[in-house]
Amino acid sequence: GQQVMQIPQYQHVQEGEDFTTYCNSSTTLSNIQWYKQRPGGHPVFLIQLVKSGEVKKQKRLTFQFGEAKKNSSLHITATQTTDVGTYFCAGPIGSSNTGKLIFGQGTTLQVKP
Amino acid sequence: NAGVTQTPKFRILKIGQSMTLQCTQDMNHNYMYWYRQDPGMGLKLIYYSVGAGITDKGEVPNGYNVSRSTTEDFPLRLELAAPSQTSVYFCASSYSPGVGGTAAKNIQYFGAGTRLSVL
Repeated sequence: GQQVMQIPQYQHVQEGEDFTTYCNSSTTLSNIQWYKQRPGGHPVFLIQLVKSGEVKKQKRLTFQFGEAKKNSSLHITATQTTDVGTYFCAGPIGSSNTGKLIFGQGTTLQVKP
Repeated sequence: NAGVTQTPKFRILKIGQSMTLQCTQDMNHNYMYWYRQDPGMGLKLIYYSVGAGITDKGEVPNGYNVSRSTTEDFPLRLELAAPSQTSVYFCASSYSPGVGGTAAKNIQYFGAGTRLSVL
């Protein structure tokens, strides 16, 4: 069945270092979404990428959607302690616009001050 | 707007007990979802609904039931609680324009979650 995989599962960085998480889908996606979940919290939508090769920035966060629309990445420049949490990518299930998403297992980021 | 509201926040059940997790949204979203999240894992879809009166199974529906009598409410029912149902449950909602709509929708908004332990 359709799968979305994220690597790495965990990442510990020193504050100020950069961080990247990668998301790979077994199928071509019409769009990809990224969510952040703080410890003890709930997932919160960050961004949606739709176009092949699309790059979007939110302050220190850079999101990319691969040319084949099967992979994506999130890069954080100069991490801060406020970046701590788990980052999930998610893509639509199947080809129809059903609203359902399949989530990757997430990358948990720890930042040492 | 409150967004997506889940109750209760925490619950401990004994094996075999039943309970209903409540979820309500005030954003007039047509789609609603129930997920479970086990420690260190991603989100698994239990059930979803594309509108009042319409529900369908997700990836892990066994042991659960849902109903959607109104646009706002989407309760999740556990009939015979089992230790395997110990998890954090999230309700979410989204607006979907349906087939032919643009891809710039289907952004999901999550409730704060219900932490359930079955002992």
